[in-house]
Amino acid sequence: EVQLVESGGGLVQPGGSLRLSCAASGFTVSTNYMSWVRQAPGKGLEWVSVIYSGGSTYYADSVKGRFTISRDNSKNTLYLQMNSLRVEDTAVYYCARARYYYESSYWGQGTLVTVSS
Amino acid sequence: DIQMTQSPSTLSASVGDRVTITCRASQSISSWLAWYQQKPGKAPNLLIYKASSLESGVPSRFSGSGSGTEFTLTISSLQPDDSATYYCQQYNSYPRTFGQGTKVEIK
Repeated sequence: EVQLVESGGGLVQPGGSLRLSCAASGFTVSTNYMSWVRQAPGKGLEWVSVIYSGGSTYYADSVKGRFTISRDNSKNTLYLQMNSLRVEDTAVYYCARARYYYESSYWGQGTLVTVSS
Repeated sequence: DIQMTQSPSTLSASVGDRVTITCRASQSISSWLAWYQQKPGKAPNLLIYKASSLESGVPSRFSGSGSGTEFTLTISSLQPDDSATYYCQQYNSYPRTFGQGTKVEIK
């Protein structure tokens, strides 16, 4: 059974850093197209970043240069390193995996990041 | 960036009604479109991929159609469990973009 479990969220001050983790089971992270999607409180979904099985990465303009997506094959875990956090980065962050093409077929439960002083 | 515009933003319908949600892309995305359902406090759930393919386990009352710039999600007979917010997403190019969402309420 495919499972994704995010962790690492919490309260951080503006300008701070946080690393989110997404522990996967039931499949291999390194051979799949993996994404991060976020949702600010009461708002819609916003795509954040993706990593391909080959290692290519893409980012939303709003996080480019501040966030880094990566994975640890030995831990079968996806990460999102978030630096220079802003109040507008406050959101629930979801990791997701594609099943067919590049849609998000499987989702974690999300982890809340709050950026506030 | 490709803009995705959903309409309506909110709709209210009765159980058994046929419901249609439209998603328009600012440029052609071929058939690279997905539809998601999200209930409060939960992660989104994939309903439709590649514009018209039904995800495994999703009730057959959900269907998707369209290509290019105009797409629709149809619920053939609305059920109480379908009360949720629905999002379209294009995955033709980067950055991937979502529609703003359509909230479906049951009368």
